[in-house]
Amino acid sequence: DTEVTQTPKHLVMGMTNKKSLKCEQHMGHRAMYWYKQKAKKPPELMFVYSYEKLSINESVPSRFSPECPNSSLLNLHLHALQPEDSALYLCASSQAARSSGNTIYFGEGSWLTVV
Amino acid sequence: AQSVTQLDSHVSVSEGTPVLLRCNYSSSYSPSLFWYVQHPNKGLQLLLKYTSAATLVKGINGFEAEFKKSETSFHLTKPSAHMSDAAEYFCVVSDQTGTASKLTFGTGTRLQVTL
Repeated sequence: DTEVTQTPKHLVMGMTNKKSLKCEQHMGHRAMYWYKQKAKKPPELMFVYSYEKLSINESVPSRFSPECPNSSLLNLHLHALQPEDSALYLCASSQAARSSGNTIYFGEGSWLTVV
Repeated sequence: AQSVTQLDSHVSVSEGTPVLLRCNYSSSYSPSLFWYVQHPNKGLQLLLKYTSAATLVKGINGFEAEFKKSETSFHLTKPSAHMSDAAEYFCVVSDQTGTASKLTFGTGTRLQVTL
């Protein structure tokens, strides 16, 4: 069972709506990630937080706004999305250490449909 | 830049027969390599990882992978396939960015298991 919990599991939103995806982990990890996955494709990195500070933004459109309120929580605020933003959004976490061997643990994902 | 190439987009095996999923990597230094599995409509689960310790890595559910530097390969094997192994498998290389990890995914291999 994953120790990274994502809510909601499914979200349908209109292009003018504002919604948020939430992620929580209690493994003591200080690095947290958002990935986007389209059907039949590998996940693509969107954002990385390390010690609650944004460390990587992979040129993601501003209609996606991440937030890391504390070391256990990660949010993704959504506003004015487009239908092509429909995808599986995966949250993940890992130790924040200078080692490429850190294991990244993924949540079950939030399925987003933009109508 | 590091990269991974999954040589087969789709592999079909009969239940009880061996599984071989092929992965080649490109890295200028000793990489950290992972295999993740994704069952339909689920998040990603870590199968196993290589981080420059033993070259033969054992993972969950009977899977193992061998790191071969001379061949730049990290193929995933299982002696006997089970119906529950049907899923998408991703070979992944990890790069370190500060205190966070940046994963580069292969394009995935869909494993089909038939009776």
